[in-house]
Amino acid sequence: AQRVTQPEKLLSVFKGAPVELKCNYSYSGSPELFWYVQYSRQRLQLLLRHISRESIKGFTADLNKGETSFHLKKPFAQEEDSAMYYCAPLIQGAQKLVFGQGTRLTINP
Amino acid sequence: EPEVTQTPSHQVTQMGQEVILRCVPISNHLYFYWYRQILGQKVEFLVSFYNNEISEKSEIFDDQFSVERPDGSNFTLKIRSTKLEDSAMYFCASSELVLGPDTQYFGPGTRLTVL
Repeated sequence: AQRVTQPEKLLSVFKGAPVELKCNYSYSGSPELFWYVQYSRQRLQLLLRHISRESIKGFTADLNKGETSFHLKKPFAQEEDSAMYYCAPLIQGAQKLVFGQGTRLTINP
Repeated sequence: EPEVTQTPSHQVTQMGQEVILRCVPISNHLYFYWYRQILGQKVEFLVSFYNNEISEKSEIFDDQFSVERPDGSNFTLKIRSTKLEDSAMYFCASSELVLGPDTQYFGPGTRLTVL
């Protein structure tokens, strides 16, 4: 069965500290992986996707096929990074996103 | 920048009543989706829609649910006879390409409360 695990429901770090949000997936085939972010009272929006290999707002994510992980990282957290973050593989063919439970990231000043 | 819109933002209904949630996808997008999020739980896929028909649906999307594209701009989700457990945030999304993975753009959601 396709499953996404984000082991941390809550993550709190200080401004300027590195942050890593973990994501592990269980999926047969080659998924396309996405990170979506939801800022307070805003819609879900794309943060980054694996295939584009872009760095958005200083965040990067590396796909590790051996560990089936797609952890999200940022070297220096900013207060505006406080938000809910969702890891979501795309099930190709079905074109459906399978969301993790999300990690609420809080950046303390 | 074009965005997906949804109406209403909040819908309150009595159990057993029919509700229609409305979405206007981004205009050049071809694929449409509904997801829902029960309070405190994951965002769950309900259905995807392409070329005027359902392309994929989850086990949640039973006979009480239906989707329609009644005109060139709207995409609707109908729940025929609402249950208490249908209370959730419902998100519409759309994507541009048909072939291969593509970014899904989400609407702000409709909060459905079934009393």
